[in-house]
Amino acid sequence: DQQVKQNSPSLSVQEGRISILNCDYTNSMFDYFLWYKKYPAEGPTFLISISSIKDKNEDGRFTVFLNKSAKHLSLHIVPSQPGDSAVYFCAARFYSGGSNYKLTFGKGTLLTVNP
Amino acid sequence: NAGVTQTPKFRVLKTGQSMTLLCAQDMNHEYMYWYRQDPGMGLRLIHYSVGEGTTAKGEVPDGYNVSRLKKQNFLLGLESAAPSQTSVYFCASSRRSTEAFFGQGTRLTVV
Repeated sequence: DQQVKQNSPSLSVQEGRISILNCDYTNSMFDYFLWYKKYPAEGPTFLISISSIKDKNEDGRFTVFLNKSAKHLSLHIVPSQPGDSAVYFCAARFYSGGSNYKLTFGKGTLLTVNP
Repeated sequence: NAGVTQTPKFRVLKTGQSMTLLCAQDMNHEYMYWYRQDPGMGLRLIHYSVGEGTTAKGEVPDGYNVSRLKKQNFLLGLESAAPSQTSVYFCASSRRSTEAFFGQGTRLTVV
């Protein structure tokens, strides 16, 4: 049962335009959401996050939106640059009691930004 | 400024062999994790640890064991490797399961 879903395996965008990556989740107990970027042959790197008590978080060209009622979050990249070409993973945190926090990842979306 | 270091980076095993993957972090993080990444499957949690001396199962723990004897190290063991364990393995650490920092990965092939 996949609790974090990224339904688009790939996305292609022109340089300078907006990239929108989407993520849906099923578990209403997730309290924190993160986006990671991954280049080939490297480990994922943290990009931006949002708490479930907010609906928007911005960091430079990157903005994450959270719609709790729809259980949906999205990552906007404006303007897109060729260096943004990577796999983007959506992740959600679940607190299961005590010190137990777990991150669940989506399958990733490959973003290609064309010059 | 090492962050999270995984050893080795590449390994080829024969079916039935055993091996240990080492993860070391220098950020004094409490939480450490082992994930595997397979094509079309994203990152799946194998085991994790919320502190020295503690371990817990993730989504896909079968065939793996872990130990966290020191806060900075998290070991992943394969007792009897199987071709289904061919994957890229990532170790990560975090303060409280927020912005986890990942290692470079270990590409394991079991033949």
